[in-house]
Amino acid sequence: DGGITQSPKYLFRKEGQNVTLSCEQNLNHDAMYWYRQDPGQGLRLIYYSQIVNDFQKGDIAEGYSVSREKKESFPLTVTSAQKNPTAFYLCASNSGRYNSPLHFGNGTRLTVT
Amino acid sequence: DAKTTQPPSMDCAEGRAANLPCNHSTISGNEYVYWYRQIHSQGPQYIIHGLKNNETNEMASLIITEDRKSSTLILPHATLRDTAVYYCIVTNFGNEKLTFGTGTRLTIIP
Repeated sequence: DGGITQSPKYLFRKEGQNVTLSCEQNLNHDAMYWYRQDPGQGLRLIYYSQIVNDFQKGDIAEGYSVSREKKESFPLTVTSAQKNPTAFYLCASNSGRYNSPLHFGNGTRLTVT
Repeated sequence: DAKTTQPPSMDCAEGRAANLPCNHSTISGNEYVYWYRQIHSQGPQYIIHGLKNNETNEMASLIITEDRKSSTLILPHATLRDTAVYYCIVTNFGNEKLTFGTGTRLTIIP
């Protein structure tokens, strides 16, 4: 089945450590996105990439980094510079064409203590 | 992207139609209305989208007013599995700047 895989589902880290969240898609989508969701809140855009080897900052990119070396993969690194990293992280993709609906993974819940 | 306004929560009896409203009074001519839902601790699921005509698929119907300033998502026969947060979004291209608000928490009552 085609879809988006995020791993792991739960991740625990100590404060001051960088951590990388995985996102893989087999939908042959050109565009990929990372969102952050805090309890009781909506989704906020961190980074997005419309094509391999290119990506843009979203609304809350500070403290995060990404890479897009392969079409299928868009890993997100949460760095120690991110002040409040504990959150639910969602990866999404779409074809990148006009009005192409987003498809989401099932998220990674990151807890930093 | 235009802002949307949704009620924070709604209840609906199982088996009845659930009608979820959304106001988007500042929508521009080329913006579509999208609906997604999110079941607890999962990623949002795409439901339906439309420009100005009413749309129907296997999950739901979307009714957009003639002036496009509001819309209603209809789940015709709600089940307990429809309990979720429902997001209404308007956007005009590629979703690259798509932002989700806090949506409507729909609870289906047995």
